Amino acid sequence: GIQVEQSPPDLILQEGANSTLRCNFSDSVNNLQWFHQNPWGQLINLFYIPSGTKQNGRLSATTVATERYSLLYISSSQTTDSGVYFCAVVHMYSGGGADGLTFGKGTHLIIQP
Amino acid sequence: NAGVTQTPKFQVLKTGQSMTLQCAQDMNHNSMYWYRQDPGMGLRLIYYSASEGTTDKGEVPNGYNVSRLNKREFSLRLESAAPSQTSVYFCASSGAGGEAFFGQGTRLTVV
Repeated sequence: GIQVEQSPPDLILQEGANSTLRCNFSDSVNNLQWFHQNPWGQLINLFYIPSGTKQNGRLSATTVATERYSLLYISSSQTTDSGVYFCAVVHMYSGGGADGLTFGKGTHLIIQP
Repeated sequence: NAGVTQTPKFQVLKTGQSMTLQCAQDMNHNSMYWYRQDPGMGLRLIYYSASEGTTDKGEVPNGYNVSRLNKREFSLRLESAAPSQTSVYFCASSGAGGEAFFGQGTRLTVV
């Protein structure tokens, strides 16, 4: 199946810093999502971005599907940004079928005040 | 708009007991999914249902069964719980647009 690798696995920053999280995937995808899992375990949708660039406030994401990677940018970090960030993809098989999202192992982000 | 609702939120089982996790979505989505999340790992797909009346195995289906009761509801059953099934379980749904939405999770402990 498709492989999803996220880097870095852990990241500790001071409040106000900027960060870039990376997601590499091993095959073509027709769906890519970024999630934030907060300290209470809730999965929050950040971006649905199979290709192109999107921005939402201090967060933005870019997916270059032809080169099989996506980047999540967080600017002016706040303590509430702490948690785990997951990249997840859907690979469409040649027969037209697809199963669910395949997740990376996540980037654990800690923002210190 | 509740989105994806899972019950229960927490459960403790003894080894060998059975239970059913319930999931319902109100977004009129065709596809529904069950995932498990273990410490330090991403989510892994247990079973999914691409449409009402169909179910398929995911990456880790052993020890589980599912039922797509109707378009709204997708349940996950553990027939004989084992300590290895201690995990956090998430239900999700997606529609024609492709974006998936997740429930709040069920924390299951098997002792």
